[in-house]
Order: sequence, then structure tokens, then C-alpha cells
Amino acid sequence: EPEVTQTPSHQVTQMGQEVILRCVPISNHLYFYWYRQILGQKVEFLVSFYNNEISEKSEIFDDQFSVERPDGSNFTLKIRSTKLEDSAMYFCASSEAGNTIYFGEGSWLTVV
Amino acid sequence: GQQVMQIPQYQHVQEGEDFTTYCNSSTTLSNIQWYKQRPGGHPVFLIQLVKSGEVKKQKRLTFQFGEAKKNSSLHITATQTTDVGTYFCAASYGGSQGNLIFGKGTKLSVKP
Repeated sequence: EPEVTQTPSHQVTQMGQEVILRCVPISNHLYFYWYRQILGQKVEFLVSFYNNEISEKSEIFDDQFSVERPDGSNFTLKIRSTKLEDSAMYFCASSEAGNTIYFGEGSWLTVV
Repeated sequence: GQQVMQIPQYQHVQEGEDFTTYCNSSTTLSNIQWYKQRPGGHPVFLIQLVKSGEVKKQKRLTFQFGEAKKNSSLHITATQTTDVGTYFCAASYGGSQGNLIFGKGTKLSVKP
């Protein structure tokens, strides 16, 4: 069964450093998303991406965050200058038509 | 912003007992989705409800969408240890493509 793949599975970074989380969405999907989940808390929407542009973003997705689809398969989330409170599990997700959303296994980011 | 209230936060049951989790929104939903997240895992899509009053069943799981499309429930009959995990509802509001608003989840533990 096709799945969303994410790398790295775990990253530890120093506060203030830039981080790039990578995702390969399911191949025929057109909608891509990033969500995050702080340990023990609910899943929170960050951003959705369709037709090579951001279609929606949450208040969490401030100027420190950016997304990119550098080629036909990858979808990346960049955090420019990480803060301690950015420590969370980051889930990439994709959807064929904007309805059923399939999540990747997540990238666990620890900022120290 | 939009919020979805989900209760209870935790539920401990004896294997064989039933389990129900509820979600409520103050505003009308476009649709509601349910996800299961095993400990250390990622959210896995269970079902999507779209129509007012809709009821869907998956084996021992019964999903309902309220007549006013403001509430939903997930009921598990005769729980098994494999049902352990956190169950999230995720609401979609009109015009939103994948900006899911997740409830805080109900963490289910099942005692054998």
C-alpha cells in the first residue's frame, strides 16, 4: 500500500539552527500538508499546499516556517531558526482530493 | 479559531467492555474524520462522515454524525487489547481543504 515517507525520523538540533524536514507524499496525491504534535498533545495543522503554492496556513506557521516542493516528489518543511518550543513530532500528510488524509510516520524534532 | 471539544480525555476499560468518545463543535462542520494513533505511532485514518445523521460501521466500530453536523461519536463494542491507542476526531469546516482541526483525543487503555 502506498505511504507517505518522512526523513529524518529523529533530529536533534541546537536552538537557532535551521532544520529541514523532508517528505515524499503518495505519488498521485495533489494536496500536501504539515501537521505537528507536541508530546502528549493533539495534532495541530500547520500548512496545506496545492498546485505549487500554500493554500492555507495556521497561526503557528509564522515567518520562521517555509515549505517547498523542490521537485516532483519531495515536499519539505524548513524551520529557519529553531526555538525550544518547536520540539515536536512533525507529520507530513497527503491527500488525493483534499478529503481523506494519509499521514507519514513523523519526524521527531528535539531542539536543545 | 475553530475548536473541537473531545471527551473523555482518558478511558480505561476492561477487555470486553464498550467504549465511546464524543466530539462537539459550536459551529456546523463540513465533515468529520476519525483517526487512531497507537502509542509512538502516527494518526491512521479510520473514517469520514459527511452527511447529517450519518452512521457508519466498521466491524466493532460505529461512527455517528449528528443531525446538526456539530457533533460526532465513535463507539467500540466489546473492546479488545488491540483497540488501545488515542482516538482523534478531526473536523473540517466549509471551504477548507485539509485544514483539519483535531480534537484533543481520547486515550483508550484496555485491561486484559
